[in-house]
Parts: sequence; C-alpha cells; structure tokens
Amino acid sequence: GAVVSQHPSWVICKSGTSVKIECRSLDFQATTMFWYRQFPKQSLMLMATSNEGSKATYEQGVEKDKFLINHASLTLSTLTVTSAHPEDSSFYICSARPLRLWGVYGYTFGSGTRLTVV
Amino acid sequence: SQQGEEDPQALSIQEGENATMNCSYKTSINNLQWYRQNSGRGLVHLILIRSNEREKHSGRLRVTLDTSKKSSSLLITASRAADTASYFCATNDMRFGAGTRLTVKP
Repeated sequence: GAVVSQHPSWVICKSGTSVKIECRSLDFQATTMFWYRQFPKQSLMLMATSNEGSKATYEQGVEKDKFLINHASLTLSTLTVTSAHPEDSSFYICSARPLRLWGVYGYTFGSGTRLTVV
Repeated sequence: SQQGEEDPQALSIQEGENATMNCSYKTSINNLQWYRQNSGRGLVHLILIRSNEREKHSGRLRVTLDTSKKSSSLLITASRAADTASYFCATNDMRFGAGTRLTVKP
C-alpha cells in the first residue's frame, strides 16, 4: 500500500514550452503533497507544499508563476513548469502524506521525473 | 531551504562492515525520518523516530535521536553491496539534509 505514481519518468522539451508532471496516490488519499527538485549529487530542495483544494505554499525563492501547482483532488497533484528554460532541467520528485498515517508513519515518494530542456 | 547537514557527505566501506551516518537539524521536531535513494530514483522510507524516542531498530538499521543536540544517526550493520545508495534524513516538515552517499564494496 501507499504507492505514489509519478509521470512522466522523463521528458525532453524545447525552451519556451510548458511541461506538466503528475503525481498520483494510487491506494490512499493525500491531503498534502510535496514537490522537490534535485540536482545531480545533491539533496532534495523542497519547492512547494500542495494542499488539496487550496493554493500551494511555495518555498522562498521558488517562482510560483513559473512552477504552477494544482492539487485538485485527494489523489492527484500536478506541477507545470511554464516557459521552460535549460536551467529548469532537473530531477523533480513528489511525495504524498496519507490522510491517515500508515503503520510506519512515513511519506511515500514518486519515482521522479527527469526534465531536460533543450 | 535545507534542514541541516549529513555527515559524512560520502562514505566508502567494505561489505560486512558497519556504516554510520549522522544528521543535524535546525528546528524543533515532532519526528525525524531516514530515507534511501538509489541513483536517479525516488526515495524509500526506512525508519521514523519520534521526538520522545532515543533509539529505534529495524532489521539491520539502528537510529538514534538526540533532541538536545538536534542530531540523529543511522547505523547500518553488516553492510551489503546492495546498500549502496544515498541516505537522507528529513524532519517532520519534510525538509531534507544534504545526504550521505554510501558505497559498499563487495
């Protein structure tokens, strides 16, 4: 149980285009989802916290108009990278917190999306 | 923003040896979690320790927590080549430390 599906696993897009990344909780409801960005050999940088039915909370320095987050249901959150540029190339990972915490009380992560902007 | 630092940043050991990784954090916590990440993949939850706990075990994993020092350690005993990965701690607000890259040589 507690599976998070993230799609696509990788995407290549041209500069100036937008890319949407989906994060779905498959067997549980997630009131809160987290979006991270990770550069090679570095840690995960929290970008924003997504709450179902309300606006996302962005971390300082993250452009909310650049990284649009929509958490429209208890099982789906999306991150749209708008007007992508090569510097947006990175590994993006989502994480979901179950409505009811599981036995190990952990958070479940998607498998990540490798975005390359050319 | 990052929560703290893992120590060491990289660790290379032989199979069968124990590996100890440390994590420091900055704010008050309700719990602290350890995760593992294989290269280019998502994270896998390993263990959670609550702020009122000092030590917790799970298989070959042992986690300690010292809230007075705002630090935690993860011990992997009898390491295996398959333990090669990056290990991160995260506070309950889901901010991660810098991580330790563990390499276990067969």
